[in-house]
Amino acid sequence: GAGVSQTPSNKVTEKGKYVELRCDPISGHTALYWYRQSLGQGPEFLIYFQGTGAADDSGLPNDRFFAVRPEGSVSTLKIQRTERGDSAVYLCASSQGQGSYNEQFFGPGTRLTVL
Amino acid sequence: AQSVTQLGSHVSVSEGALVLLRCNYSSSVPPYLFWYVQYPNQGLQLLLKYTTGATLVKGINGFEAEFKKSETSFHLTKPSAHMSDAAEYFCAVIGSEAGGTSYGKLTFGQGTILTVHP
Repeated sequence: GAGVSQTPSNKVTEKGKYVELRCDPISGHTALYWYRQSLGQGPEFLIYFQGTGAADDSGLPNDRFFAVRPEGSVSTLKIQRTERGDSAVYLCASSQGQGSYNEQFFGPGTRLTVL
Repeated sequence: AQSVTQLGSHVSVSEGALVLLRCNYSSSVPPYLFWYVQYPNQGLQLLLKYTTGATLVKGINGFEAEFKKSETSFHLTKPSAHMSDAAEYFCAVIGSEAGGTSYGKLTFGQGTILTVHP
C-alpha cells in the first residue's frame, strides 16, 4: 500500500514569502505529526494532530508557523514571512492511533530552502 | 523533559565487523525507545523499539538493541556489518510528561552516520 507522501519534494523560496507544504498520510491513520530536521540534526517535533484537531502544537517555533488538517486526512504546514533560518527538511509522519507505542511512518520530507 | 544523546556523529566499520551505535537517554519516567534508519533521499524507517517486557529487542536487518535502565542506555548493535547498512541512524525516546502522555511525540538524538568500507 501507499506510504506517507509529501509534496513538493523540494521548495526554494525567497525570504519573506509564504509557503505551504503538504502531507498525505497513510489511509486510515488518525494521528499525524510534523517534524523539522535541520542540517546535521535529528528531527524536532513541531505539531501533532489527532483527527482534525491539533492536540499538541508546542513545537511550532513562532506564530509564523501554522498547520491544518481540515478533514482528518491531508495536512498542510503553512509558513508565513519565511526566514533563512526556516531552511530545513520538513518531515511528516502518521500512525494508526495516538498511543505512544504506535509506529510512526515517515514520509520522505520536503526540503525547504529560503534564499 | 526527555533528551537523547548519541555518542559519535560518525562511525566507520569494515564490512563484516561489529556495529555498535551508542544512545543514552534522559527521562523522568519509564521511556519508550526507538531506533530509526534514514537512507539518502528516503524517509525514516523504524528499525526496532522497546516498550515493555524483554530488554533485548530484535529488529529488522539483523539489528538489535538492549535497554539498560541502570545505565539509561539503548545501544544498537549488529554482529556483522554489510555495505547496505551505510546510512544515518537516529535514536529516539517517548516519555510521559508530568501529568499526561506525550501522544507519541518523538524526541530524537542528533544522529550517527554509519560508513561501511570493504
